[in-house]
Amino acid sequence: GESVGLHLPTLSVQEGDNSIINCAYSNSASDYFIWYKQESGKGPQFIIDIRSNMDKRQGQRVTVLLNKTVKHLSLQIAATQPGDSAVYFCAENSGGGADGLTFGKGTHLIIQP
Amino acid sequence: ETGVTQSPTHLIKTRGQQVTLRCSSQSGHNTVSWYQQALGQGPQFIFQYYREEENGRGNFPPRFSGLQFPNYSSELNVNALELDDSALYLCASSGRAIGSPGNTIYFGEGSWLTVV
Repeated sequence: GESVGLHLPTLSVQEGDNSIINCAYSNSASDYFIWYKQESGKGPQFIIDIRSNMDKRQGQRVTVLLNKTVKHLSLQIAATQPGDSAVYFCAENSGGGADGLTFGKGTHLIIQP
Repeated sequence: ETGVTQSPTHLIKTRGQQVTLRCSSQSGHNTVSWYQQALGQGPQFIFQYYREEENGRGNFPPRFSGLQFPNYSSELNVNALELDDSALYLCASSGRAIGSPGNTIYFGEGSWLTVV
């Protein structure tokens, strides 16, 4: 079935560098995307979202890019900090809400000092 | 803090038993959804409640059922527990339909269920 997936299970970056986490989705009907951060033993924490009528959205130190042509989503984190260490999930919805969110398996971001 | 609270935080059940998990949604949020997250995996959508009615369901068997109350809090019930039901169960709340402008979906910290 169609699903949302992530390219890399683990991403290691130096503290202070920028991080880019990628996500590919296969459902062309997807119209809403969210990035979540999940720390060990905790629930997913909302980072940023984007709707399909946009291709870029910025938050505090984070930017989400959406390329509908190739069905690709990315999360950019500027000036990575130790507190950014976590598993990052992209999630999508295509059913107007009632179908819930479809999550990928996650990318574990490791920050090296 | 997201304002979404879940209880209990951890519990152990025996195969074949029944379990009830509870969730209080963020104030003003009328939509609650439940997810199952196995170790090392992303969350999987179980079902969603809007104004006390189930209005969406993922690929889970009928032994997974739920309720939403007038104050928008919710319960997840699982009957005839199986070993594979061991997971983190997450509750999420939102104030509007997913994808609506300005909507944000907040998750609780989850309930860890171990079936032995």
